[in-house]
Amino acid sequence: DAKTTQPNSMESNEEEPVHLPCNHSTISGTDYIHWYRQLPSQGPEYVIHGLTSNVNNRMASLAIAEDRKSSTLILHRATLRDAAVYYCILRDLGGDDKIIFGKGTRLHILP
Amino acid sequence: NAGVTQTPKFQVLKTGQSMTLQCAQDMNHEYMSWYRQDPGMGLRLIHYSVGAGITDQGEVPNGYNVSRSTTEDFPLRLLSAAPSQTSVYFCASSYSVTGGHMNYGYTFGSGTRLTVV
Repeated sequence: DAKTTQPNSMESNEEEPVHLPCNHSTISGTDYIHWYRQLPSQGPEYVIHGLTSNVNNRMASLAIAEDRKSSTLILHRATLRDAAVYYCILRDLGGDDKIIFGKGTRLHILP
Repeated sequence: NAGVTQTPKFQVLKTGQSMTLQCAQDMNHEYMSWYRQDPGMGLRLIHYSVGAGITDQGEVPNGYNVSRSTTEDFPLRLLSAAPSQTSVYFCASSYSVTGGHMNYGYTFGSGTRLTVV
């Protein structure tokens, strides 16, 4: 399974943009990049996913490097409610469908 | 839609007891999986299923059994509970990547907090 590498923790000020990086240098051509977040005492929730092109939805944007070896989750205007653990994972379109979670990035939002 | 429903929300077991954690989804998702999350840790995959009648092992399958007799249900059985199985258990479901759907983000249940004493 292709693995991802994320910083253990990050801090950001409230109402400022946040860029959460993820490295996946062994990504295969059939791997989709997924991002999830886990708020305190809750189950993970889906944020966004993409394959090659940048993606936007109501929660965030996903910027994917041209060589697909890295990606960045962008929260355009962080709020205190965005404090969570963010997981970057790969899902293989041509494989067995399972998703393996890493340790993620714990995002702290400073008021 | 109810999404992914897990029962019970909390459970205390004695060492050696058995029990079944229930997971049901009403989204007609082919793919279902079970994770455990120990305090301060990430999620580890226990078992997963790509459709009714098909199951496979994840990262930490020992001590757990699963079956998938219907699309909707994916119960997790603890055969003989041990204190090392104290954890929060999450069930997740999604459309299969081979099913032709474009939206296949995972939907997670709210978890079952299990304590084994």
